[in-house]
Order: sequence, then structure tokens, then C-alpha cells
Amino acid sequence: QTVVTQEPSFSVSPGGTVTLTCGLNSGSVSTTHYPNWYQQTPGQAPRTLIYNTNTRSSGVPDRFSGSILGNKAALTITGAQADDECDYYCVLYMGSGIWVFGGGTKLIVL
Amino acid sequence: EVHLLESGGALVQPGGSLRLACAASGFTFTNYAMTWVRQAPGKGLEWVSGISISGDTTYYADSVKGRFTISRDNSKNTLYLQMNSLRAEDTAEYYCVNLQSDYWGQGTLVTVSS
Repeated sequence: QTVVTQEPSFSVSPGGTVTLTCGLNSGSVSTTHYPNWYQQTPGQAPRTLIYNTNTRSSGVPDRFSGSILGNKAALTITGAQADDECDYYCVLYMGSGIWVFGGGTKLIVL
Repeated sequence: EVHLLESGGALVQPGGSLRLACAASGFTFTNYAMTWVRQAPGKGLEWVSGISISGDTTYYADSVKGRFTISRDNSKNTLYLQMNSLRAEDTAEYYCVNLQSDYWGQGTLVTVSS
């Protein structure tokens, strides 16, 4: 069974840089998995930050960037702000029409 | 401006049925495969089902296979999810999503309870 792995939680200082990752329990993540990244605040629908590895969604500040780092997809946030504190999810395309979400990362800014 | 407007969510008893709809506008609906994603209260996101551009090919998560049916009407720019034999664990916010781009709906709530 395919499992998409994300850090359950991560802390960053205001103004700092943090990299969240999205991996697989078996194998490496590549651009052929078309990784997407979403941000979700409580009570709101998810907001797309990055799609297709590194394409920033309209209106998303360039503080957010996507990439492949080693064998994982990565979301890097530079200049962290208090309102970046929320949940972040990745999703990977596994082929044959199947997508799998990671369990999400709760980002703490303090 | 892109809009994906879901409808059809409701309170339903276990074993019951519901049909969700998603009206799309602001983009060329017929250029994209579409999906349904759900989120149970306090839980993470779960991919539920996907459908090809033409509607000829459909895909399902194991958790809903045999109970849910995804379809689309390209003449109406609308995506559907027929949900049968509903269970308590199907309780969730259901989102209409284009995972190839950045289009998400605002969701419709399905509650399965007696």
C-alpha cells in the first residue's frame, strides 16, 4: 500500500526558512508524481500553493516555492510569518488515475 | 475567474444515498480530468474519485469502490458523485478539485448519521 509521508509537525521562527517534505514509503518522488502543495487554515477549504512540482498558484507570494530535494518533494517557505501557521498537505499522482495525499504537516511559527 | 460550486450535501441515514454536483465556470472544463476529495472532521485530505476528460474512464479509492460513482456532463460543465450505501465514516466535507491545476471548490458537507 502506498503511503505518502509528511512531517506531522514543524516549528519555524518568525522570519526564518522552513522546508516541508513529501515522500513515499517505498521509492522516490519525482516530477512524474506531479506533486502539489496545499495550505489549510481551520474552517477553510484548502488553498493551492504549488502544483506540478514548482508552479506557484496565482496570488501566492514568492516566499513559497516547490522543488524535488533528494528523493522527496519539498515546499520551502522563506521569511515565515505568523499567518503561515496552519496545516500543509501534499498530494502525489501514483499513475492509473490514482492520487494519494500525505497526512499533512502542522506548521508552528514561534 | 474560476469557480467550482458544489451542492447536494445533506444529513442522511446510514445505508442512504446522495448525489453531489459541482458546477464549473471560468475555465475550459472539457480540457481537464476532475476529482472529488473529502475531509472528515478533524482529519486530513483523502482522494476519493477521479474521471477522465471524456468521462469514459473513472477511478476510485478502495474505501468507496462499488458504492460511489463519478460522472460528468461536459455539455453542462458539471461533475457529479453518486454516493450509495453511505456509512458513518463517509461523513466529510466533499470538494470538487482539478488536481492538474489549482482549482478547488468550497466544499459541501455530507453527514451520515441516524
